[in-house]
Amino acid sequence: QKEVEQDPGPLSVPEGAIVSLNCTYSNSAFQYFMWYRQYSRKGPELLMYTYSSGNKEDGRFTAQVDKSSKYISLFIRDSQPSDSATYLCAIHNTNAGKSTFGDGTTLTVKP
Amino acid sequence: NAGVMQNPRHLVRRRGQEARLRCSPMKGHSHVYWYRQLPEEGLKFMVYLQKENIIDESGMPKERFSAEFPKEGPSILRIQQVVRGDSAAYFCASFQLALPGELFFGEGSRLTVL
Repeated sequence: QKEVEQDPGPLSVPEGAIVSLNCTYSNSAFQYFMWYRQYSRKGPELLMYTYSSGNKEDGRFTAQVDKSSKYISLFIRDSQPSDSATYLCAIHNTNAGKSTFGDGTTLTVKP
Repeated sequence: NAGVMQNPRHLVRRRGQEARLRCSPMKGHSHVYWYRQLPEEGLKFMVYLQKENIIDESGMPKERFSAEFPKEGPSILRIQQVVRGDSAAYFCASFQLALPGELFFGEGSRLTVL
């Protein structure tokens, strides 16, 4: 079993739709929860970073963490064509000293 | 540009040759990770380095692969006697210990083995 499982894609939505991206994890020792966005042929860039259960909002993006269920989500409101990218969830274990990534979900937002 | 710099961006090697990938972390960062990404797959951890020290190399194949991060100069990932299965994008990420998990990635080095 992978330590981090991400809902596979690809995902295609019309412009303006609400997008939900999801991951589950198995190790309760994970302490920090991140979402990265990766455009084609580019390096990942950090979108959201949190360490507690609950919601964290940044503009059109909301990261949600449920530690009891070991479930994390990223919601994108009013999606735009420029949001078309691969989204990677990542979970960091400070004790192990590394971040483990999901396999990514590729999102296409159609105008 | 104070971001993470990787070079070369693209590298083509024939089977049996050596590939050497370089990574200069963000200014002030003394910790780097190397990750490998195959097409349509996520990032797979390879090695965690601090200046002059390998912290964790559990994700790196024991043969043909080595990594270093000297006191001066970039971190280097070296792949000896490359095989076609080594073809992938290799990403370097640097970070500050005070902000674990907040990784800053380079643009990657794309290795193609013919």
